[in-house]
Parts: sequence; C-alpha cells; structure tokens
Amino acid sequence: EVQLVESGGGLVQPGGSLRLSCAASGFTFSSYWMHWVRQAPGKGLVWVSRINSDGSSTSYADSVKGRFTISRDNAKNTLYLQMNSLRAEDTAVYYCARIDSSHSFDYWGQGTLVTVSS
Amino acid sequence: QSALTQPASVSGSPGQSITISCTGTSSDVGSYNLVSWYQQHPGKAPKLMIYEGSKRPSGVSNRFSGSKSGNTASLTISGLQAEDEADYYCCSYAGSSTDVVFGGGTKLTVL
Repeated sequence: EVQLVESGGGLVQPGGSLRLSCAASGFTFSSYWMHWVRQAPGKGLVWVSRINSDGSSTSYADSVKGRFTISRDNAKNTLYLQMNSLRAEDTAVYYCARIDSSHSFDYWGQGTLVTVSS
Repeated sequence: QSALTQPASVSGSPGQSITISCTGTSSDVGSYNLVSWYQQHPGKAPKLMIYEGSKRPSGVSNRFSGSKSGNTASLTISGLQAEDEADYYCCSYAGSSTDVVFGGGTKLTVL
C-alpha cells in the first residue's frame, strides 16, 4: 500500500525556518517525481515545488523561490522541504504528493500544518 | 503562474447532473491533454478523480467524467449523491518551467 506521511510542521515566528519531511513507503520511491502542494486555511490548493526522481532537477513557485529548498534522500525514501525566511502568508497545510507519468497526483500525504506567527 | 479559473460554487439535487468548468490558457489547459481533477472533503487530503482530461483511476465511480474543449476543461458528475458534496480542484500541466497549476476550487453542494 502506498503511503506518504508528512512531519515537521508547527508554529514558527516570521523570519524563522522549518524543515518538513515526507516518508514514503509501498512503492519504489526513487522512480517517481515528487511535489509539495500547500493549502492556506480556507483556501485552495497551490503548487509549491517539484523534484525529479534522482534529485538533479527542481522547480519552485515564484512565491517561494529563493526561500524554500526541496530535496530527497532515495536511500531513506524521504522527501524534504526546507523553508527559510518564513512569512505569515506561508501559513498552510503542506502536502507531499506523488506524480505519475500523466502529470497527475495519484497519492497524497495527510498534510502537516505550518503556522507562521509571532 | 496564474491559477486556472473555476466557479466558486455549484449545487444540485440528488440524482441530477452538474458540470464544473476549469478555464486556463493556451500555455496550460489548451496545450496539453494533462488536466486532472481532485475531490477534497473537509479536513482530508485531495483524491484523484480524473486524469489526462477524461480517464478515471481504478475505484472512481463512472458517474464522474471529464472533457476538454480548447482552453477549458470540465468535470461532470451525474446522478448526484450526498457523498459527492466536497471541494473540487482542477489541475493542468503547464510546461517544464511552470510544472503544474491548480484551479481555485469549486464547492459542490448537494441540496
């Protein structure tokens, strides 16, 4: 059974940092591109970042470029999102999601809440 | 990286059919047959309902169907049931630099 389990969320002050993790199981993690998608309270889904299967290529939404870094450890079957210089507008539930060959997100984690507030 | 345009809300009675539109541009929806649709119940993770515009993953009811014309994709739900009440999001591949873009979401109310 495919499982994606996020962790690392919490309350952080503006300007602070946080690292999210997404532990994958039930599939060959190293074969899939992975994404982070976020959802602010009461708002819609917003794409955040993507990494290819071997970690050699990444991309970011303009709103997080230069502040967030996506990475992965295929030996540990884990996806990461390092978030620096956090702002109030980064407050959201962060989901990791697996993308398949049709560019659709076929599996999602349960999400982890990040709250940026003083 | 502008979001795709969806109506904020739609509603229908049990047994009826509804359609949710998703309008993009020639850089995303219009250029690729790679639109997907997601259902999200409150407090839950999104669930894939349609991929590649019109294909259903295993286990998704055939009451859900998708189509595309030009820069607009559509999700149709026939034979509405109470359990269909949820938020629905479209998503399109938008090229190697932008990756993917989501719609703003549509709240479906089953009356």
